[in-house]
Amino acid sequence: GAGVSQSPRYKVAKRGQDVALRCDPISGHVSLFWYQQALGQGPEFLTYFQNEAQLDKSGLPSDRFFAERPEGSVSTLKIQRTQQEDSAVYLCASSHRTRGLAGASSYEQYFGPGTRLTVT
Amino acid sequence: ELKVEQNPLFLSMQEGKNYTIYCNYSTTSDRLYWYRQDPGKSLESLFVLLSNGAVKQEGRLMASLDTKARLSTLHITAAVHDLSATYFCAVDTGRRALTFGSGTRLQVQP
Repeated sequence: GAGVSQSPRYKVAKRGQDVALRCDPISGHVSLFWYQQALGQGPEFLTYFQNEAQLDKSGLPSDRFFAERPEGSVSTLKIQRTQQEDSAVYLCASSHRTRGLAGASSYEQYFGPGTRLTVT
Repeated sequence: ELKVEQNPLFLSMQEGKNYTIYCNYSTTSDRLYWYRQDPGKSLESLFVLLSNGAVKQEGRLMASLDTKARLSTLHITAAVHDLSATYFCAVDTGRRALTFGSGTRLQVQP
């Protein structure tokens, strides 16, 4: 079936511009996550939704970052007044709960291809 | 604050050799994930480890989890060039967000 999709794949913004990044999760996945990956680093958590509720936004680096998922499916990450330090790949992931052996729960996250944001 | 440390950060090995990547984490967790990332690509899930003593194998890769030691290992057996990629471990402490290590960049030389 279709995986997580993100658009645009590449975005170049001038410093100070606003950008909006879109994520389409796997159909039926309740949970959706945004991560930021700087060059040569591991992804860092930004925010998490369960359905339309934003349950954790502790990783958002500043109040210029805003995320929403109004109908519990597609999500948008918006960055206002972009700065050069915002240049990174923004990854979206979705997950649902599965039961492993002995009843342990897994919330394996499936990642999209990412949006590479370059702020000039 | 949870810290996840991988070592080595860079590994160059010859085809046919064996090696182990280590992932240490600083707080209690019983869910650990391994991902692979090729240059310019997204993350591909390799293993899900859900309990102490869990061991999973797929092809030339085997992952294990020791929750008491807060350690996971990814063992590579008889490496081939196709395994060249960056490997990340990621820990879920129950708040659902994953905390990733810095990654191990593996280069397998013919």
